[in-house]
Amino acid sequence: KAGVTQTPRYLIKTRGQQVTLSCSPISGHRSVSWYQQTPGQGLQFLFEYFSETQRNKGNFPGRFSGRQFSNSRSEMNVSTLELGDSALYLCASSPVPGPETQYFGPGTRLLVL
Amino acid sequence: AQTVTQSQPEMSVQEAETVTLSCTYDTSESDYYLFWYKQPPSRQMILVIRQEAYKQQNATENRFSVNFQKAAKSFSLKISDSQLGDAAMYFCAYRRTGNQFYFGTGTSLTVIP
Repeated sequence: KAGVTQTPRYLIKTRGQQVTLSCSPISGHRSVSWYQQTPGQGLQFLFEYFSETQRNKGNFPGRFSGRQFSNSRSEMNVSTLELGDSALYLCASSPVPGPETQYFGPGTRLLVL
Repeated sequence: AQTVTQSQPEMSVQEAETVTLSCTYDTSESDYYLFWYKQPPSRQMILVIRQEAYKQQNATENRFSVNFQKAAKSFSLKISDSQLGDAAMYFCAYRRTGNQFYFGTGTSLTVIP
């Protein structure tokens, strides 16, 4: 099976712009979670989607949003980018929500200038 | 809120020796799951080992084993016969069914030849 894929792998944006990141889960996985990883904060949970519905949401401002499509692919969007949004954004999938092991993608490295 | 604490930002070990990475967590729940994930320099996060809280027996996966102390809310990872490929950032994570994952801030492990 192919693993979790994320596109693009690298992205450079300027403050005030918006960005959309994409994640394709492992085939058959219906749960997708997003994380922001920074050197000082570690992994911070953004949100989790299952069957096109957001199940959990982390403590991030409304500028961060996401959605999931009927094929389980997910996108996250960040509007009005700030310098502090520079991070590695990781997507993880699992068959269903719950204590299942999550499988991570390689991440999208976002740099905001 | 659940928190996961990794008090060792950096650790080093001689090749072929044993090293233990510490993790503590805070929860009022009795049913939950604990994980150790490894993130090599290539950035792909992979699962090392998983422990169900209701199981008293410590999980083992080849050279990797855990010391799960439920009352003390401690979940340490022991790596035996350390290899150069074990060098990575290690994250401890907690999840309760239906809830999000909570990650620690990570421990960077260096393996010295």
